[in-house]
Amino acid sequence: DFQMTQSPSTLSASVGDRVTITCRASQSISSWLAWYQQKPGKAPKLLIYKASSLESGVPSRFSGSGSGTEFTLTISSLQPDDFATYYCQQYNSYLLTFGGGTKVEIK
Amino acid sequence: QVQLMQSGAEVKKPGSSVRVSCKASGDTFSNYAISWVRQAPGQGLEWVGGIIPIFGTTNNAQKFQGRVTITADESTSTVYMELSNLRSEDTAVYYCARIALRDNYYYSGMDVWGQGTTVAVSS
Repeated sequence: DFQMTQSPSTLSASVGDRVTITCRASQSISSWLAWYQQKPGKAPKLLIYKASSLESGVPSRFSGSGSGTEFTLTISSLQPDDFATYYCQQYNSYLLTFGGGTKVEIK
Repeated sequence: QVQLMQSGAEVKKPGSSVRVSCKASGDTFSNYAISWVRQAPGQGLEWVGGIIPIFGTTNNAQKFQGRVTITADESTSTVYMELSNLRSEDTAVYYCARIALRDNYYYSGMDVWGQGTTVAVSS
């Protein structure tokens, strides 16, 4: 199975900050990685797929990069609506795995 | 616009089984897989398993092997997840979600999600 490790687990930031979240795969997953945002009591929302493709309707301040085993999600200028928990997820095989999540908190 | 509508909350006894449904409206299952993801209280997301309805093929996470059964009824655009031998650790919100396929492989992430079904396991 592919293990996904996210860091940090918690991140404190201010509105306007540039924020970067890292996700590492236990073995190469090519570019088969997605990023999600989840707010309390809500279903996750797809932000990025295939490592760097922006889902329709998602603001351009969100971007994804990486391939192989190292990936990043970047929020170029944090907005009040962005305080949430973010998850990476690999889909290199039919067996899917999520990272442990990164909670972005208000500093 | 496609929507996934899940069945209602369940309260179950340890050792029993639960079946949760996920009905698609506004689209068919063609070119999509359906996954089940759960979230225990205060915890992260955990993939349970999935199905490609047009092929009927299923996969599930190793930890659920032998306890989870995922089926699809294409005539009603409904996918079912049954989890047996329930224990307290299975208490969670269960979500279904759609993944686009290309050339029979997952192409995108989970772009459409159901509203979630709370399953509580308690004696």
